[in-house]
Amino acid sequence: RKEVEQDPGPFNVPEGATVAFNCTYSNSASQSFFWYRQDCRKEPKLLMSVYSSGNEDGRFTAQLNRASQYISLLIRDSKLSDSATYLCVVNGGGGADGLTFGKGTHLIIQP
Amino acid sequence: ETGVTQTPRHLVMGMTNKKSLKCEQHLGHNAMYWYKQSAKKPLELMFVYNFKEQTENNSVPSRFSPECPNSSHLFLHLHTLQPEDSALYLCASSQGAGGELFFGEGSRLTVL
Repeated sequence: RKEVEQDPGPFNVPEGATVAFNCTYSNSASQSFFWYRQDCRKEPKLLMSVYSSGNEDGRFTAQLNRASQYISLLIRDSKLSDSATYLCVVNGGGGADGLTFGKGTHLIIQP
Repeated sequence: ETGVTQTPRHLVMGMTNKKSLKCEQHLGHNAMYWYKQSAKKPLELMFVYNFKEQTENNSVPSRFSPECPNSSHLFLHLHTLQPEDSALYLCASSQGAGGELFFGEGSRLTVL
C-alpha cells in the first residue's frame, strides 16, 4: 500500500472555476500535513500547512480528515498562475525525520 | 537569492566516473536532506542529517555516499552509478527535523 496517494490528473480547469483534490495517507500516526506546489522544472515550495481545524489562505482552503485519513485542497477563483503540480506531504510519524511526498496532482488552468 | 544553493545544476557522467553534488543553506537551519525525484515517481527521501549527524538512510545503495561537514553544507558523493540513477537530486533544509522544507533548485543528473 502506498504511503501517500494522490490522483495524478491532469485536472484541466477553466479560469475562474473552483477545483478540489484529495490525498490519502496510510500512516495513522502521522502528525503533520502539508501541501507543496511544484512548477515545471522547479523545486517544490510550501503552499500551506494543514491543521486539524482546517485552514484558509486567500483562495486556498485545506482540510484534514483524520478518521478517513485524507487531506484536501480547494482552490477558488482559479488563476492561470495556479497551473502547477500540487504535492501532498505527510510527516511519517514514529520518530521518522523525513517528510513523505505523494506523486502530485497536475493542475492546468485554461483561459 | 535562494536560501538553499545546489551545484552543479546539471551533471552528465559515465558509469565509472566519480562526482559530487554540493548543497549549501544560508537559512541557519539544523536539518538537511537529500531527495531523489524521478519521472512519474514521488520524491524519495534518501538521507537526513540533523545537527550534522545522519539520522536516516532510506535504504540507499552504497554508490551514493553523503557527507555533512557542518550544518550549512551537505554533499552527495557519486561513484559507479547506473543509468537508472538518472534523476533530479534535491537538497532541502529545515529548522527542525520534519518541519517545513526549503528546497534548492536541484541537480539534474544523467548517467550514461
